[in-house]
Amino acid sequence: DSGVTQTPKHLITATGQRVTLRCSPRSGDLSVYWYQQSLDQGLQFLIQYYNGEERAKGNILERFSAQQFPDLHSELNLSSLELGDSALYFCASSIRDTPNTEAFFGQGTRLTVV
Amino acid sequence: AQSVTQLGSHVSVSEGALVLLRCNYSSSVPPYLFWYVQYPNQGLQLLLKYTSAATLVKGINGFEAEFKKSETSFHLTKPSAHMSDAAEYFCAVSGGGTSYGKLTFGQGTILTVHP
Repeated sequence: DSGVTQTPKHLITATGQRVTLRCSPRSGDLSVYWYQQSLDQGLQFLIQYYNGEERAKGNILERFSAQQFPDLHSELNLSSLELGDSALYFCASSIRDTPNTEAFFGQGTRLTVV
Repeated sequence: AQSVTQLGSHVSVSEGALVLLRCNYSSSVPPYLFWYVQYPNQGLQLLLKYTSAATLVKGINGFEAEFKKSETSFHLTKPSAHMSDAAEYFCAVSGGGTSYGKLTFGQGTILTVHP
């Protein structure tokens, strides 16, 4: 158990809908990262927050947004969902936002868009 | 920009044999390198990391990796494979500029261990 909690574990929704994925980082970790894992794109970095502020952005679609709350949990919002958004979404956390800091991953949320 | 190339999307070994998973990186700044393992239906677990302290890095479960700057490589090895090592392995790089710890992953290598 990494200490990073993601909910829900599975999500099935229809095209055009909006969903929210939730992540609770390890106790004491200030940095939260979101990654998308799909068969065709592999593991792709989406966005990072550190202590409530956006730190870095990857190839995140405009239909996707995220935030980190004062209690440090984070939410990833996906809207106007398309079939191609079906993927495994991982949250990771680390104590710092420096490149040499290891990140701990949650078990992921498997999103299926039908 | 940083990138990672994992040579071989599938590697198959016999139980007790040497495991060698290849990773080459590209980075314009001194890199930090990581190996993660993903078991079916699970998240990624850190095996080991290179942060410039030592070129030979030992990790969990008997794995180790050697950083070779001249070859831009960070290959993962284990002297004797066990059935429980069957999983997907990812090499990742971080570092420089405004990376702030984000990881760039390779495409992954699926390790199969035969009895």
